[in-house]
Parts: sequence; C-alpha cells; structure tokens
Amino acid sequence: QSVLTQPPSASGTPGQRVTISCSGSSSNIGSNTVNWYQQLPGAAPKLLIYSNNQRPSGFPDRFSGSKSGTSASLAISGLQSEDEADYYCAAWDDSLNGHWVFGGGTKLTVL
Amino acid sequence: EVQLLESGGGLVQPGGSLRLSCAASGFTFSSYAMNWVRQTPGKGLEWVSAISGSGGSTYYADSVRGRFTISREDSKNTLYLQMNSLRAEDTAVYYCAKSYSVLDGSSHWGQGTLVTVSS
Repeated sequence: QSVLTQPPSASGTPGQRVTISCSGSSSNIGSNTVNWYQQLPGAAPKLLIYSNNQRPSGFPDRFSGSKSGTSASLAISGLQSEDEADYYCAAWDDSLNGHWVFGGGTKLTVL
Repeated sequence: EVQLLESGGGLVQPGGSLRLSCAASGFTFSSYAMNWVRQTPGKGLEWVSAISGSGGSTYYADSVRGRFTISREDSKNTLYLQMNSLRAEDTAVYYCAKSYSVLDGSSHWGQGTLVTVSS
C-alpha cells in the first residue's frame, strides 16, 4: 500500500478537463513540495510537474499542479488521446531519516 | 543531451547478489544527486535509494536498508547499486534517475534494467 493515495483510475473524453488527486500526510506533502510523473505505456517515467506547480519544458500548459495542506492535484485540460498514461505523485517524507514516497499511480484513459 | 544507461540486471537466485550500474552522459555528473527507483512489472513506482552530488549523503527505503548500497564514481560518471540478500520481492525494473538535489524531483530517467529474483 502506497504512502500517498491516488485514485487507481480516471477517464475523460477528448477536450475535457480531468483532475487526479494525491493525498498524503504532514511528514510528506504537508512539509515538502509535490512532483508528478507521467509514464506512457512501455516507457520510463517523465517528470511532468515539479515543486507543486512548475512545468519542465516539453510539457504544454494544459498540465497544471496545485497543492493545499496535505493534498495535491494534477489537472489536465483539453484532454488528448496522447495523454493516456499512468500518472504518479511523489514527495519527500521527513520521517525515518528521510525518503521519497510515491502514490500508487492513476491510469488515465481517454475515451 | 542527458543520457542514463542502466546495466547489470538479470536472473539471480534468492539470497544472491547483483550490482547495477548507470552510465551517465550529457551533464556534469558530479554536480547532481542520483536516485534508484524500481517498478514491479505491471505495478507502481517504488523509490529505492538516493545519493547526494557529493556522495556524502545516502538514503534508503526501509525495504532495502541494510541489504542495498548506493555509490557513485564521479571519475567514471557512473552510479551503482550493490544489491545483496536478494528476495523475490526485489524483482522489478530498476531505473536510475537524475535530480538537482536529493530533495528535488528526478528530471531525467534511464530506460531501466530488469532484475529477476527466482530459483
């Protein structure tokens, strides 16, 4: 069972806006920034959002992140078929000498 | 262009050892923290270990602490993961990943190397 909690699945039709939630605790999301990763089928993960809401070059502004308290969210607007992938949230956890924790991942299906 | 190339994966018996390597290029290796993250086939991501850019600080997941050792050889632009006392539950694809610091997200990932622990 993952330390960060994500819904196992999400879906939407092309053009729609979808959000994926990520719930943690005071020792991880409550104390540190959140990153989001996108993993396309058969590929390695890619950093999608860092420091809660920053986008690396290469990802369009359709992707956005936010954080409040011990929860975070990833929003994807103008959904496209190529957005179909697994999405993971991650945060540093200050407990036990410090370690990274991931969410269990959300499989996004574009209907 | 940043490139990370893992090697050293394979089939090993329970209780055995394996050393993974990650050859880095396209950036000043010594200036960046490095991570190992694994993924059981069909499952989610699990962070394994991290090492600071200086190599002076290392971090481990509880599931591998005492069995795995992360290290780096900056002169060879190479990251290592020494895995001892391997268990069936260590079976996974192991990715190396680069980050600005241990506390930052991993900006670049390798393609992974598969480790299978089975008799």
